[in-house]
Amino acid sequence: DADVTQTPRNRITKTGKRIMLECSQTKGHDRMYWYRQDPGLGLRLIYYSFDVKDINKGEISDGYSVSRQAQAKFSLSLESAIPNQTALYFCATSDSGTSVNEQFFGPGTRLTVL
Amino acid sequence: AQKITQTQPGMFVQEKEAVTLDCTYDTSDQSYGLFWYKQPSSGEMIFLIYQGSYDEQNATEGRYSLNFQKARKSANLVISASQLGDSAMYFCAMREGNNAGNMLTFGGGTRLMVKP
Repeated sequence: DADVTQTPRNRITKTGKRIMLECSQTKGHDRMYWYRQDPGLGLRLIYYSFDVKDINKGEISDGYSVSRQAQAKFSLSLESAIPNQTALYFCATSDSGTSVNEQFFGPGTRLTVL
Repeated sequence: AQKITQTQPGMFVQEKEAVTLDCTYDTSDQSYGLFWYKQPSSGEMIFLIYQGSYDEQNATEGRYSLNFQKARKSANLVISASQLGDSAMYFCAMREGNNAGNMLTFGGGTRLMVKP
């Protein structure tokens, strides 16, 4: 079973709709992240959380909100989706107890906003 | 200014040959970490290799090695004996500062295509 799972894997929605993307992990990591990837570009950080009840804005947080419901769950919401939020969204986790602290990524959610 | 620059949008390499993917970075921090990730066509991001700014030896992981030139601020990925399965996008990323939880900043990526 995958250590970091994302649901849904694909979603098509319309402008103005509220969308929630969910992420769960079984790695026992304390830190979780949401990124977006636009075609031909690298990943950009939307929000990150170092622990339950700790939420921090990333580089491009406008138009997004998050909730860390438990250590293993981190959800991303688009309150009113717009077409330029069409992208591939990745959840990632890391363990603050390691020296390298590499991030492990979920499989991604492909979101299309019409 | 770009923090991570990957100047090669796409590259071809012959199967079984070595290839170097370029990455330069910009930071004023003394402590930082450099990462390489692979993204195959299926879309997932796979961690390949890490180099800490204070590491004196170049990092190696199997067929992957990181050519770290601190004075030049470059962290090139070398893949030896390329395989068809190495065809993918490759991203260089940097984590700045002493806090190991700091965000990663990614470059724009290099698409590597391995020819049989």
